[in-house]
Amino acid sequence: QSALTQPPSASGSPGQSVTISCTGTSSDVGGYKYVSWYQQHPGKAPKLMIYEVSQRPSGVPDRFSGSKSGNTASLTVSGLQTEDEADYYCCSYAGSNNWVFGGGTKLTVL
Amino acid sequence: EVHLVESGGALVQPGGSLRLSCAASGFIFSSYEMNWVRQAPGKGLEWVSYISTSGTTIYYADSVKGRFTISRDNAKNSLYLQMNSLRAEDTAVYYCARSYYDFWSGFRYWGQGTLVTVSS
Repeated sequence: QSALTQPPSASGSPGQSVTISCTGTSSDVGGYKYVSWYQQHPGKAPKLMIYEVSQRPSGVPDRFSGSKSGNTASLTVSGLQTEDEADYYCCSYAGSNNWVFGGGTKLTVL
Repeated sequence: EVHLVESGGALVQPGGSLRLSCAASGFIFSSYEMNWVRQAPGKGLEWVSYISTSGTTIYYADSVKGRFTISRDNAKNSLYLQMNSLRAEDTAVYYCARSYYDFWSGFRYWGQGTLVTVSS
């Protein structure tokens, strides 16, 4: 399976909203409702932010939301805060008991 | 509080073997499915392997199938990854990750990772 496609970088000012895309195929993102998003600060372990396309785990602020349309999933961060600056990775079930990640997007809060 | 602590990472020569461990605490280990996910230096994440609560269902990424073996000991609250025939491209930080509530629900809790370097 090929990695999902994410933009290398994204940016926004504090208080603004930013959307990060994650493009796959009908064999992964488009074929299942099992897309998750992870936040990773430098030198730290990833943190689950969204699962099953749009579900937020307990403790994740509602500023983070997820959606999907066709073969593209999206993560939207509203009301950007400085602590949101991190790398973000999408992940999708890819069939045959496999998971595939995106290449990651570095979010900069200007 | 959920804690996952990996150990066993080291410098190993190509073709060598290594066994990683992950000690779990703060939750009922036997009730949760577990995974290994790795990250090559400066690169993105790659799912490696999954094991069910009882250990009877196991999945691997194609890149490690036939070389890596995942296992767990519920009595010891521990997860393992036996890595054989190691290659340079296996160099990465290896994380153990607990599923949120099942195979489909994402990787909810992560350890701090252990570094495996494959080099001569």
